[in-house]
Amino acid sequence: GAVVSQHPSRVICKSGTSVKIECRSLDFQATTMFWYRQFPKQSLMLMATSNEGSKATYEQGVEKDKFLINHASLTLSTLTVTSAHPEDSSFYICSATGTGAQNEKLFFGSGTQLSVL
Amino acid sequence: GNSVTQMEGPVTLSEEAFLTINCTYTATGYPSLFWYVQYPGEGLQLLLKATKADDKGSNKGFEATYRKETTSFHLEKGSVQVSDSAVYFCALKLTGGGNKLTFGTGTQLKVEL
Repeated sequence: GAVVSQHPSRVICKSGTSVKIECRSLDFQATTMFWYRQFPKQSLMLMATSNEGSKATYEQGVEKDKFLINHASLTLSTLTVTSAHPEDSSFYICSATGTGAQNEKLFFGSGTQLSVL
Repeated sequence: GNSVTQMEGPVTLSEEAFLTINCTYTATGYPSLFWYVQYPGEGLQLLLKATKADDKGSNKGFEATYRKETTSFHLEKGSVQVSDSAVYFCALKLTGGGNKLTFGTGTQLKVEL
């Protein structure tokens, strides 16, 4: 089946630094990618939706200048947490959907646990 | 707004025990309902789904019935195995909402010998 690879699985960084998370579709063209965030004991919350070659659409309350999303190719989307702070510590998950047989189906990465010190 | 409420975990069961993970939802309109499973170190995978009231989704021995009257989609399995240990997410998607899902918090299941 279709596979989405997400890296890194875990990252620890200092406050004020930026962190990049990659999400790759390995065997299909991901026309749309979604980024989610989950705080402890809370729901998985959609942060933004990105279509290849277009600017991402952010959900209400998500700062687009802080969470930079790039979806420049059909196999790669990146989420950059800029000037990270401890309150950004969370679990981030990407998912992707494609065309043809991969349309209407969501394929998820394994997630990235971000800890900001 | 739309929301999904799941029972808090972790749920710890002995092998061959009966499993129920409760899920209720609030939605405008008539959503499709899903259960996703995340095994350790892997991405979420679709386990089963139901698209309209009274539909029953089933897969790998798991079942869930779309109950409109109680706005519920409880996950059940008659006899769990150690290999079922994972995190289970209930989710909904509105008709016409594309692939935008609203998730619950996830429930961790631990099955012991």
